[in-house]
Amino acid sequence: GAGVSQSPSNKVTEKGKDVELRCDPISGHTALYWYRQSLGQGLEFLIYFQGNSAPDKSGLPSDRFSAERTGGSVSTLTIQRTQQEDSAVYLCASSIWGAGDYGYTFGSGTRLTVV
Amino acid sequence: EDQVTQSPEALRLQEGESSSLNCSYTVSGLRGLFWYRQDPGKGPEFLFTLYSAGEEKEKERLKATLTKKESFLHITAPKPEDSATYLCAVEVGSSNTGKLIFGQGTTLQVKP
Repeated sequence: GAGVSQSPSNKVTEKGKDVELRCDPISGHTALYWYRQSLGQGLEFLIYFQGNSAPDKSGLPSDRFSAERTGGSVSTLTIQRTQQEDSAVYLCASSIWGAGDYGYTFGSGTRLTVV
Repeated sequence: EDQVTQSPEALRLQEGESSSLNCSYTVSGLRGLFWYRQDPGKGPEFLFTLYSAGEEKEKERLKATLTKKESFLHITAPKPEDSATYLCAVEVGSSNTGKLIFGQGTTLQVKP
């Protein structure tokens, strides 16, 4: 597609349930990033994939969070045993390489609400 | 600790009233400074990358400038469609990872 696609756009889940958020990057973009945007907070880096290299997981807030990227394309962010503090907008972005001259292209995000 | 601070948090302008948004940063080794625009319910949209002090970039009514401590986003004769949240971010470190540290943003409202 022409842009970064994220699904679902909205997700309401009960505390303690697991959720999976999907990101379809722009074709040919080797770098893929996940960020979290909480109400009143700036964007917070979560995880970064670059080609076939091991992902940089340094931003994941706890071991309940994990992500994978299959075939260098689609990525899934999984949150296990969700907590109310996980409520936020989860944004995925992709780029040809790094942030560079053209920045990232972001998706519209998944708004996660944990009740 | 690397930090990015944007001011003001919110700005209301009349159409045609020029102003500037500030992004100050304290980082160890700036690789690049980025400006994004975010409309409600959407992901941020890339505007500019600045790499070194003294650099300037322009796009329509927007001009971004960079010094060793801060960046400004100047908005000349804004229109209502310029209303959005403007985000500043920095890339730091020795390798080209593209990991960004974002400020909290300035929400701009331009009234007709």
